[in-house]
Amino acid sequence: ETGVTQSPTHLIKTRGQQVTLRCSSQSGHNTVSWYQQALGQGPQFIFQYYREEENGRGNFPPRFSGLQFPNYSSELNVNALELDDSALYLCASSLRVGGRTDTQYFGPGTRLTVL
Amino acid sequence: AQSVAQPEDQVNVAEGNPLTVKCTYSVSGNPYLFWYVQYPNRGLQFLLKYITGDNLVKGSYGFEAEFNKSQTSFHLKKPSALVSDSALYFCAVSFTGGGNKLTFGTGTQLKVEL
Repeated sequence: ETGVTQSPTHLIKTRGQQVTLRCSSQSGHNTVSWYQQALGQGPQFIFQYYREEENGRGNFPPRFSGLQFPNYSSELNVNALELDDSALYLCASSLRVGGRTDTQYFGPGTRLTVL
Repeated sequence: AQSVAQPEDQVNVAEGNPLTVKCTYSVSGNPYLFWYVQYPNRGLQFLLKYITGDNLVKGSYGFEAEFNKSQTSFHLKKPSALVSDSALYFCAVSFTGGGNKLTFGTGTQLKVEL
């Protein structure tokens, strides 16, 4: 196991609602990245947080937002949920030293179902 | 832009035989290449990476991968497959100046049969 934990494991929401997913990074890591994995597809990069600031964003609308806390844990918030937001949401932690970030280690994911 | 192609949706191999899972990539700088494995209803598990140095990279559980710059490939290999290797395998790439964003392929389902 990687030491990266995510909560909750599963979540069911209805269209239009808001959701918050949580991630605790591996001890010693200072960077958190979030990915969306739709059924049958590879993970897609949502954004990355380093030193509590967004440090890169993929092709996702502003209703996807995040936070990183001083202990390097992180939240992913999604507003105005749509049916297509149904997916496995993966958090990955890594160590950034200087300008370079090392291997990303993934948590088990949160399965979000939007009805 | 960066991209990864895994041309085979599924690879079938008999236990004890060698396996190869193919990956090709496209980046605008020096590539960082990764292989991850995903078991059902689980997150991604890191297998190995190429950053720089030797083109042959050895990783977890007997897996290895060969970086080929001229063919822009990073194929995953194992000399002798096990039934327990059956899983979904993802190749991913980032690159220098790319902010450590990983771009993944669509995945290859490996099935090892007795």
